[in-house]
Amino acid sequence: NAGVTQTPKFRVLKTGQSMTLLCAQDMNHEYMYWYRQDPGMGLRLIHYSVGEGTTAKGEVPDGYNVSRLKKQNFLLGLESAAPSQTSVYFCATQRGTRESLDTQYFGPGTRLTVL
Amino acid sequence: GEDVEQSLFLSVREGDSSVINCTYTDSSSTYLYWYKQEPGAGLQLLTYIFSNMDMKQDQRLTVLLNKKDKHLSLRIADTQTGDSAIYFCAERRYSSASKIIFGSGTRLSIRP
Repeated sequence: NAGVTQTPKFRVLKTGQSMTLLCAQDMNHEYMYWYRQDPGMGLRLIHYSVGEGTTAKGEVPDGYNVSRLKKQNFLLGLESAAPSQTSVYFCATQRGTRESLDTQYFGPGTRLTVL
Repeated sequence: GEDVEQSLFLSVREGDSSVINCTYTDSSSTYLYWYKQEPGAGLQLLTYIFSNMDMKQDQRLTVLLNKKDKHLSLRIADTQTGDSAIYFCAERRYSSASKIIFGSGTRLSIRP
């Protein structure tokens, strides 16, 4: 039972390159999220999904795309990376109920540097 | 995290109590959480409180909620070096059960 995993753990890109970050979960959770974490700014929501085949924009969606073709996977794509996208990216999952303990479970993060 | 505010840093002496404060703005917040992030890792849920509670205690952790002032605090008794981390306050609103709003995090450092 791995919980939430993220691939890769680290990546260095050149400006203009593209890449895809993969989040995988084995908890059968409905909701999945992508956040970025920057110093002093906490977590900012990029995109999220409330079920297989659905996606929605978060607080800072520009420059990113996502797909949720399978319930257990949530992909974050950068089509043309920019230095402003240098950050630590976290994936999170949530069961998808209104219960108080329906909180979010986080992956270990992907550290991305764009030169 | 603009609706949830925390101070960025806190330094305490080992063995003392740490108090991390948080303010939120939405009165419809129903569930409030504290997450802990250790270096190089993702966030992990530390504790939570329902909006109809004033206090919750769990071993060394005490959460206080003042709904009138929209103020949440986390007290860690007998702070140890292993408590060094970033602590995030977070809220979930009844109107948007699919989103949790995070504060910017408070970095707790322990001095000997």
